[in-house]
Amino acid sequence: ELKVEQNPLFLSMQEGKNYTIYCNYSTTSDRLYWYRQDPGKSLESLFVLLSNGAVKQEGRLMASLDTKARLSTLHITAAVHDLSATYFCAVDMEKGAQKLVFGQGTRLTINP
Amino acid sequence: GAVVSQHPSWVICKSGTSVKIECRSLDFQATTMFWYRQFPKQSLMLMATSNEGSKATYEQGVEKDKFLINHASLTLSTLTVTSAHPEDSSFYICSARDLRLAGASSEQFFGPGTRLTVL
Repeated sequence: ELKVEQNPLFLSMQEGKNYTIYCNYSTTSDRLYWYRQDPGKSLESLFVLLSNGAVKQEGRLMASLDTKARLSTLHITAAVHDLSATYFCAVDMEKGAQKLVFGQGTRLTINP
Repeated sequence: GAVVSQHPSWVICKSGTSVKIECRSLDFQATTMFWYRQFPKQSLMLMATSNEGSKATYEQGVEKDKFLINHASLTLSTLTVTSAHPEDSSFYICSARDLRLAGASSEQFFGPGTRLTVL
């Protein structure tokens, strides 16, 4: 059974600081996704990582994937209040089927 | 990106009634749609996968007679919660993809979600 674990589950940080969210998964998978969810809203796609060593950046967020370690990271640089949200990673449970298994989510609060 | 809508966005119903939630792909054709549920402050759990014109595939532990899924066209899937009870109260989110676009690499697009409250 595929398990996806995020760390930390809660993160409170100050504006301007850097931090990293970790996503570990238990079996091999060919792609990993990062999503953002605001309270009461659905998911917003942030990144799709397709291969070992993949790195993608958008603004203050950067995601990377190490398939050998079964680890992905979401790095936040110089955080701003607008990045406060819950962040989920997800992994395909069946290759190519996009039947996703989600991590528990990391609730990020950025304080002014 | 492509747009997926859900209707209604929220619904309150009495225990024992049935509720239908619609998921539509507005500007693309969805060969596959997925239904998830999310309890407050928890993660998303995949309930079922529906392919246009065929029966839905349910994940382990999801009652197919309780959660009826129909994917009758390439732009519409419906989830009917039958004989709803308070424990069915949740946030239901659908997503859609078109397998014909880049096959397994085609992106999955999420709807805005439907909040169901059963009294």
